[in-house]
Amino acid sequence: RKEVEQDPGPFNVPEGATVAFNCTYSNSASQSFFWYRQDCRKEPKLLMSVYSSGNEDGRFTAQLNRASQYISLLIRDSKLSDSATYLCVVNIATGRRALTFGSGTRLQVQP
Amino acid sequence: DTAVSQTPKYLVTQMGNDKSIKCEQNLGHDTMYWYKQDSKKFLKIMFSYNNKELIINETVPNRFSPKSPDKAHLNLHINSLELGDSAVYFCASSQVIGLAGSYEQYFGPGTRLTVT
Repeated sequence: RKEVEQDPGPFNVPEGATVAFNCTYSNSASQSFFWYRQDCRKEPKLLMSVYSSGNEDGRFTAQLNRASQYISLLIRDSKLSDSATYLCVVNIATGRRALTFGSGTRLQVQP
Repeated sequence: DTAVSQTPKYLVTQMGNDKSIKCEQNLGHDTMYWYKQDSKKFLKIMFSYNNKELIINETVPNRFSPKSPDKAHLNLHINSLELGDSAVYFCASSQVIGLAGSYEQYFGPGTRLTVT
């Protein structure tokens, strides 16, 4: 089983739609969780951290369910500029200064 | 100002050659990394240095040798390049924040290596 698993997509949605991505992780001792965004032929960039209480940043909402070991990202009112690959990222071990990346979920927002 | 920079951006070379990729960060972070992203877009850590000390060395052929002359620089030297080394190599840096030890990583623009 992969340490971090995501549905690769692609998710093709119209502008204005709401879309949700899920991600599961295998190590119950995982400490930190993030969503990164990667545009085509660009570097990954931090979209948002994911906190136990859930957090929201504008149109983006991230949730963490430790009991079920999954993380979600909800995008409301999708824009064309949201088209990218969304990477679920986990720090799987305390003190291990490295992140484990999921293979990403590709989102294509269509006009 | 570029936070994490890499050179070169593109590298095309023949099998058997030796090449280096350089990385510099001006964020004052204490940890730097090298990642490899293959054709399937899977991003995998190769090495990590904390204050010039190697702290992570994943299963990587010993043809790959990282060198950190100081906290702001982490270079990657690759000997005897093989076709399978073709990928995008990303440098990143981070700083631990908060009591929980959470941290964010900032990536360089990547070096697209093509081995022919």
